[in-house]
Amino acid sequence: DTGVSQNPRHKITKRGQNVTFRCDPISEHNRLYWYRQTLGQGPEFLTYFQNEAQLEKSRLLSDRFSAERPKGSFSTLEIQRTEQGDSAMYLCASSPGRVPYEQYFGPGTRLTVT
Amino acid sequence: QKEVEQDPGPLSVPEGAIVSLNCTYSNSAFQYFMWYRQYSRKGPELLMYTYSSGNKEDGRFTAQVDKSSKYISLFIRDSQPSDSATYLCAPQTGGGNKLTFGTGTQLKVEL
Repeated sequence: DTGVSQNPRHKITKRGQNVTFRCDPISEHNRLYWYRQTLGQGPEFLTYFQNEAQLEKSRLLSDRFSAERPKGSFSTLEIQRTEQGDSAMYLCASSPGRVPYEQYFGPGTRLTVT
Repeated sequence: QKEVEQDPGPLSVPEGAIVSLNCTYSNSAFQYFMWYRQYSRKGPELLMYTYSSGNKEDGRFTAQVDKSSKYISLFIRDSQPSDSATYLCAPQTGGGNKLTFGTGTQLKVEL
């Protein structure tokens, strides 16, 4: 399977703990995006990378959130001091980086903060 | 007001019906208009996209954009139970920096 992969698929954590998610994009896709989706809502943009450069961050991405893509391949999203409001599906997408910039999504990581 | 508005449904239709799914948007800078299908607890799957105004057909699916009225439509012909899912419209600007999603419309096609 050469699609976008995300790990773990599910994560249950206690409030105040740190969590890290990983995304592996489609090979040779130079753009990588993170979104968050809550029940009954569409995905909301968090941030995106072109190669290793983080080009845009949403104001949804508070100081507790950090994302990296150190070698322009896989990416990690870390949430520090998790809160119950962080419970959501975290989606990663990749794009070939040329018009029309179509984005292909992974299966997501479902985070539950207790 | 959200940049992209979409009726959340649910929309229930009999098998074989023609389905019309719609969104409105407010950002005139949107140039590419994507439609995604999302099954329960899965990631969104790209169905098709259009550029600017006009129609595009792909099998049983037709996407339509009217930029003058900021109205986006997806039509599904001969709907099947396997089409039961949430459909998300997601326009973006020409730079491709992010998708702006509607809430999604939940569709159920019944036998």
